[in-house]
Amino acid sequence: NAGVTQTPKFQVLKTGQSMTLQCAQDMNHNSMYWYRQDPGMGLRLIYYSASEGTTDKGEVPNGYNVSRLNKREFSLRLESAAPSQTSVYFCASSVEQGLGSPLHFGNGTRLTVT
Amino acid sequence: GNSVTQMEGPVTLSEEAFLTINCTYTATGYPSLFWYVQYPGEGLQLLLKATKADDKGSNKGFEATYRKETTSFHLEKGSVQVSDSAVYFCALSGNYGGSQGNLIFGKGTKLSVKP
Repeated sequence: NAGVTQTPKFQVLKTGQSMTLQCAQDMNHNSMYWYRQDPGMGLRLIYYSASEGTTDKGEVPNGYNVSRLNKREFSLRLESAAPSQTSVYFCASSVEQGLGSPLHFGNGTRLTVT
Repeated sequence: GNSVTQMEGPVTLSEEAFLTINCTYTATGYPSLFWYVQYPGEGLQLLLKATKADDKGSNKGFEATYRKETTSFHLEKGSVQVSDSAVYFCALSGNYGGSQGNLIFGKGTKLSVKP
């Protein structure tokens, strides 16, 4: 059972570079999410996709874009990386958005922007 | 808006000690409440949940009771093991769709258990 798979696991970027974080789930979940985790801040929602074909901003969307490629895949793009985007990024999925549906997380991508 | 407050860590205990990690929340309506656990180098895993007042969630010896009168969902375990060392997150989710239904997390409490 793969669950939620994120790639890459680690990445170092220079300021101004771009990259895309990939996420795929094999649980046939409708909803997918991107969070960032920073020390002392807990997890903060960047973007979410309640269902295939829809995306919405979360708490901290500035500097990011997302694409829900199909039901399985949800990517996060940094167009021009900044040191403030140094963080651990987690993708998650759930059967449905809200309504008490628990999230299933990937193992994270540790991103450093120098 | 909805929010979650959990006790600051780190918490250091000896093996077989009793664990309590406090969590209180602010929410409109009747949210679902969750505890997630994060082991080093991994993503978060659901530990337990409760969906209505007075529900008790339990898993792997951990328990938490949804107390609407005190807006709390404290995590407890009677006898911790070294393998319980991890970061624990309290979270809530509105029981509806839309952005208000998304999970909101506390800042996490790091637990270290010494042999």
